[in-house]
Amino acid sequence: QQQVKQSPQSLIVQKGGISIINCAYENTAFDYFPWYQQFPGKGPALLIAIRPDVSEKKEGRFTISFNKSAKQFSLHIMDSQPGDSATYFCAASLNNNAGNMLTFGGGTRLMVKP
Amino acid sequence: KAGVTQTPRYLIKTRGQQVTLSCSPISGHRSVSWYQQTPGQGLQFLFEYFSETQRNKGNFPGRFSGRQFSNSRSEMNVSTLELGDSALYLCASSVGLAGGSETQYFGPGTRLLVL
Repeated sequence: QQQVKQSPQSLIVQKGGISIINCAYENTAFDYFPWYQQFPGKGPALLIAIRPDVSEKKEGRFTISFNKSAKQFSLHIMDSQPGDSATYFCAASLNNNAGNMLTFGGGTRLMVKP
Repeated sequence: KAGVTQTPRYLIKTRGQQVTLSCSPISGHRSVSWYQQTPGQGLQFLFEYFSETQRNKGNFPGRFSGRQFSNSRSEMNVSTLELGDSALYLCASSVGLAGGSETQYFGPGTRLLVL
């Protein structure tokens, strides 16, 4: 019940295209859904995050869509650029009143072709 | 404000040895969490510390332990190293507010290779 499933595992998009990464979860106790971007040799960096009382959040070229009833959320990267080539992780945070912990999806390796 | 720092960045050990990794959180952050990242298992939660107390623990054997100091800096220790412990160990810090999940900020990680 703690799993977060992410798809696709890899994605190739042309420059200027839209990249879409999907995640699904089971545990309805999750209360925070961040997306992280990770470049080789670096730690994950927070990209954008959403709470379950909001259906969509946009920051620049990045948008999270959240469907609470379906227990799914997705990341859309508009006007994808070669510099966006990285691994993206969705995550879900569970606060059990004694702290919080992140459960991560398996990651999506995005390649944006120039 | 400086980010999360981790030392050392790279480490090579042999089976059976033990290792200690260090993490300094963002100034003002009181919660420190540790994660293990491997190609096979992905990113997995190890444990979280707040005010020098372990608040949460992931599904890892007792060989993995940690502690937090009064200045919020944290260390994790792995004893009797196994080949499968080779991984990137990530530290993340957050403010530590009660009442809901909050953003965790990650350090660059410590790459551990066990031979």
